[in-house]
Amino acid sequence: EAQVTQNPRYLITVTGKKLTVTCSQNMNHEYMSWYRQDPGLGLRQIYYSMNVEVTDKGDVPEGYKVSRKEKRNFPLILESPSPNQTSLYFCASSSSSLDEFFGPGTRLTVL
Amino acid sequence: AQSVTQPDIHITVSEGASLELRCNYSYGATPYLFWYVQSPGQGLQLLLKYFSGDTLVQGIKGFEAEFKRSQSSFNLRKPSVHWSDAAEYFCVRRDNYGQNFVFGPGTRLSVLP
Repeated sequence: EAQVTQNPRYLITVTGKKLTVTCSQNMNHEYMSWYRQDPGLGLRQIYYSMNVEVTDKGDVPEGYKVSRKEKRNFPLILESPSPNQTSLYFCASSSSSLDEFFGPGTRLTVL
Repeated sequence: AQSVTQPDIHITVSEGASLELRCNYSYGATPYLFWYVQSPGQGLQLLLKYFSGDTLVQGIKGFEAEFKRSQSSFNLRKPSVHWSDAAEYFCVRRDNYGQNFVFGPGTRLSVLP
């Protein structure tokens, strides 16, 4: 089954404790991206990647890092999480930049 | 910067009534436009998309949308709403020359029995 998976689905952590949210797709898509969703703001793009070793900033990249060492994986790294990064995070992938397939979401709470 | 606006934050309709959700995009080259739906606690599902050609596009679940260049709009419609349509709806624009997807703020739809 074609899908985008994210782990963990729920995470509660404390300020400053490094964390990684994994994202994996099995559709051989070149393009992957990360979004955060906050009430009243819709989804805002954090980072995107057009292919292996090619990443670029989206609209709200501050406080986040990404890497794309393999085509199928695109982890999101928070080196020093802060409470304002409490949000719902979505990973997505697409081929040839057409419609995106979204993962199920990761709800992150930073205390 | 490219932007997408959805003027209605929350809409309530009765089951069986018609529905129109508004979406406007900022001026630019012919955009790629999408509507996604997010049910409570769920991920996002693509309803329909417009790239070029026929300006009236049909999607899943009985939805359709019409691209109107003169109004910079891409409104979503459904002739008869079902209770299961209660969800949040996002209009999305893709930059014609790049990879950046821009989401509107969303419209939350409530359906009365």
